[in-house]
Amino acid sequence: KAGVTQTPRYLIKTRGQQVTLSCSPISGHRSVSWYQQTPGQGLQFLFEYFSETQRNKGNFPGRFSGRQFSNSRSEMNVSTLELGDSALYLCASSFAGLGRGDTQYFGPGTRLTVL
Amino acid sequence: DQQVKQNSPSLSVQEGRISILNCDYTNSMFDYFLWYKKYPAEGPTFLISISSIKDKNEDGRFTVFLNKSAKHLSLHIVPSQPGDSAVYFCAASGSDTNAGKSTFGDGTTLTVKP
Repeated sequence: KAGVTQTPRYLIKTRGQQVTLSCSPISGHRSVSWYQQTPGQGLQFLFEYFSETQRNKGNFPGRFSGRQFSNSRSEMNVSTLELGDSALYLCASSFAGLGRGDTQYFGPGTRLTVL
Repeated sequence: DQQVKQNSPSLSVQEGRISILNCDYTNSMFDYFLWYKKYPAEGPTFLISISSIKDKNEDGRFTVFLNKSAKHLSLHIVPSQPGDSAVYFCAASGSDTNAGKSTFGDGTTLTVKP
């Protein structure tokens, strides 16, 4: 089975721009979660999508949004980028989703640098 | 308020010895716990998990122990190998909506010296 894939792997943007990251889950997985990892903050949960619906949401501002398509692929969008948005953005997929005794499998991440 | 804490940011052990990584949690609704390993520039990789109905789960060199009364879990790696050097994240999730956000600790960097 192919693993979780994320594109692009690396991205450089400037402040004020917007960015869209993509995640393709493992085949058959319907839950996709997004995380932000920064050196000082560890892994921070952004949101979870399941069957095209946002099911859980972390404590991030409205500039961070996402969506999920009928094939379970998910996109994350960050508008009006700030320097502090520079981070590794990780996507994880699972069959049943968070809080259901299920294991998430992570993609390699997208390294976003905001200049 | 951090619900999952890994109080040791780093740990160094000699090859062949036991590595013990610790994790504490505060939310009593968590009922599923996982350990992930992360190498630089890669996403975390699932290592081992444990349900709250158990107090121990073993997989090869890796064993996870859960002490529900103390809200504490630990990962034992024995014998430790240089290839085990990585950042280890503890994660917890629960059955209710609030706890279902798969909260992660900040990670512990394990260095295994040859």
